[in-house]
Amino acid sequence: DIQMTQSPSSLSASVGDRVTITCRASQNITTWLAWYQQKPGKAPKLLIYKASRLESGVPSTFSGSGSGTEFTLTINSLQPDDFATYYCQQYQTYSCSFGQGTKLEIK
Amino acid sequence: QVQLVQSGAEVKKSGSSVKVSCKASGDTFSSYTISWVRQAPGQGLEWMGRIIPTLHITNYAQEFQGRVTISADESTGTAYMELSSLRSEDTAIYFCTRDKSGRGFDPWGQGTLVTVSS
Repeated sequence: DIQMTQSPSSLSASVGDRVTITCRASQNITTWLAWYQQKPGKAPKLLIYKASRLESGVPSTFSGSGSGTEFTLTINSLQPDDFATYYCQQYQTYSCSFGQGTKLEIK
Repeated sequence: QVQLVQSGAEVKKSGSSVKVSCKASGDTFSSYTISWVRQAPGQGLEWMGRIIPTLHITNYAQEFQGRVTISADESTGTAYMELSSLRSEDTAIYFCTRDKSGRGFDPWGQGTLVTVSS
């Protein structure tokens, strides 16, 4: 099974900041990686797929990069609505798996 | 606009089974792959398995093999997830979601809380 490891597990930032979350895969997943945002009591929301492709309707302040085993999610100019938990997900294999999540909190 | 609507909350005894439904609307159900993902209280997301309804092909996460059955009824556009031999650790919110085959999971159902008590 492919293990996904996110860092950091939590992060404090201010409105207007730029933040980066990292996700590492235990083996090569080329670019079969997605990022999700989840707010308390809600279902996850797809932000990025294929490592860097922005889902329709997602603000361009979100961007993704990486390939192989190392990936990043960058949020430029944080907005109040961006404070949430973020998950990466690999779907390179027949089964998929998620990272443990990164909680982004207001400083 | 695709929508997934799940069945309501369930309270179950340890050792019993639960079956959660997920009804799709707004697109041709047969074009979907449906995945099920669960989230224990305060924890992360855990993929359980998927079904391709038109082909009735399923695959399951190793951790749930033998305990989970995912099925679909094309005539009603509904997918189901049944989990057996329930234990307290199965207390979680269970989500269905459309697996866009390489383009991520979207949309998601609203989630179904399953509480397992002894």
